[in-house]
Amino acid sequence: DTGVSQDPRHKITKRGQNVTFRCDPISEHNRLYWYRQTLGQGPEFLTYFQNEAQLEKSRLLSDRFSAERPKGSFSTLEIQRTEQGDSAMYLCASSLGFMEGSKNYGYTFGSGTRLTVV
Amino acid sequence: DAKTTQPPSMDCAEGRAANLPCNHSTISGNEYVYWYRQIHSQGPQYIIHGLKNNETNEMASLIITEDRKSSTLILPHATLRDTAVYYCIAHLSGGNTPLVFGKGTRLSVIA
Repeated sequence: DTGVSQDPRHKITKRGQNVTFRCDPISEHNRLYWYRQTLGQGPEFLTYFQNEAQLEKSRLLSDRFSAERPKGSFSTLEIQRTEQGDSAMYLCASSLGFMEGSKNYGYTFGSGTRLTVV
Repeated sequence: DAKTTQPPSMDCAEGRAANLPCNHSTISGNEYVYWYRQIHSQGPQYIIHGLKNNETNEMASLIITEDRKSSTLILPHATLRDTAVYYCIAHLSGGNTPLVFGKGTRLSVIA
């Protein structure tokens, strides 16, 4: 297991199209997070899962955004009817959901999917 | 999570120690101080975390004041590859709230 994988790395889409991003977390991590990052800002939290349960989704930016983690493994983030303001880097991270003494290394992030809406 | 305050930018000469400060005066007793960094076009990378005691690993050292209201991340011998944005986050480890990132400190290591 080499870390958190995100696919695709880059996506260019026309305004109004739907896009879907995939995230494969570290296999033993039970928590999976989605963040969005725009230029010059820190990552902004969107939603997270513990196993297949979506525990927080109030931060999703609008009802055009949705996320799934159907079997508690990989996750997808979908944006419907994309707008130019959706252009950003979308980051996925995974973690253990409990503290294991000094072995808790926090979140492991993927390299992100850069979305450009034209 | 408690709010943290960091300078927006810092410079450091290559080979010298980089000392990145962070204020977290409202940190609660069970919140850890986490440091992450983000190199251009990559996702954030975990560096180190601590609760009360100073911590050291192969990447950095974390010095936390006795009152826990501030901390300093130390990169002992900065290299050009350490140029990145460094984020200090007060966070309840394993809790139900996600990491909340601020704008961080942009560290430029200069040859």
